Amino acid sequence: DAEITQSPRHKITETGRQVTLACHQTWNHNNMFWYRQDLGHGLRLIHYSYGVQDTNKGEVSDGYSVSRSNTEDLPLTLESAASSQTSVYFCASSSRLQETQYFGPGTRLLVL
Amino acid sequence: SQQGEEDPQALSIQEGENATMNCSYKTSINNLQWYRQNSGRGLVHLILIRSNEREKHSGRLRVTLDTSKKSSSLLITASRAADTASYFCATDAMKDSTLTFGKGTMLLVSP
Repeated sequence: DAEITQSPRHKITETGRQVTLACHQTWNHNNMFWYRQDLGHGLRLIHYSYGVQDTNKGEVSDGYSVSRSNTEDLPLTLESAASSQTSVYFCASSSRLQETQYFGPGTRLLVL
Repeated sequence: SQQGEEDPQALSIQEGENATMNCSYKTSINNLQWYRQNSGRGLVHLILIRSNEREKHSGRLRVTLDTSKKSSSLLITASRAADTASYFCATDAMKDSTLTFGKGTMLLVSP
């Protein structure tokens, strides 16, 4: 069965370190998204991609970057982790824009 | 900025009762979707209703959409303890192809 996976599931890091969160989908979807979920804010869009070599900034993109070298993967990099980036991160993919998104299980990131 | 806002923030009911959650949004949309999130898990898509539809059913779920009032409701009939979860509405802005999620309604169904 097709799926979307995230790794690691839990990560503790220190302020200032570079961190990369992986997202891999086997749906063969062109569209992939990264969100962060925080109490009181719901889900907020960080970055998204509509295909290979395409990346776009979302609502809360500062301090984050993504790259899309193939259809299956959209890694999210925190260039210099900050305590404000402590959150739960979700990756999602979809075949058609504005329609059903399939979510990964999430990565809990703690920045000390 | 939040496009969709769910109401109430939290809802507690007994098994067998119906649960109704509402979503209000600000700008014109193509579609509105509802998602469920169990504790510690990713979101799962429940139902999508298009702007030219007024009502849609899926099993025990009934969704309505009133574009004149920019609002939607999700009704879960004959609720079960397994329906305990957070429920989110998601809207797409017509000028942008991304989804914007509300903050969610936490539903607790007690046996």
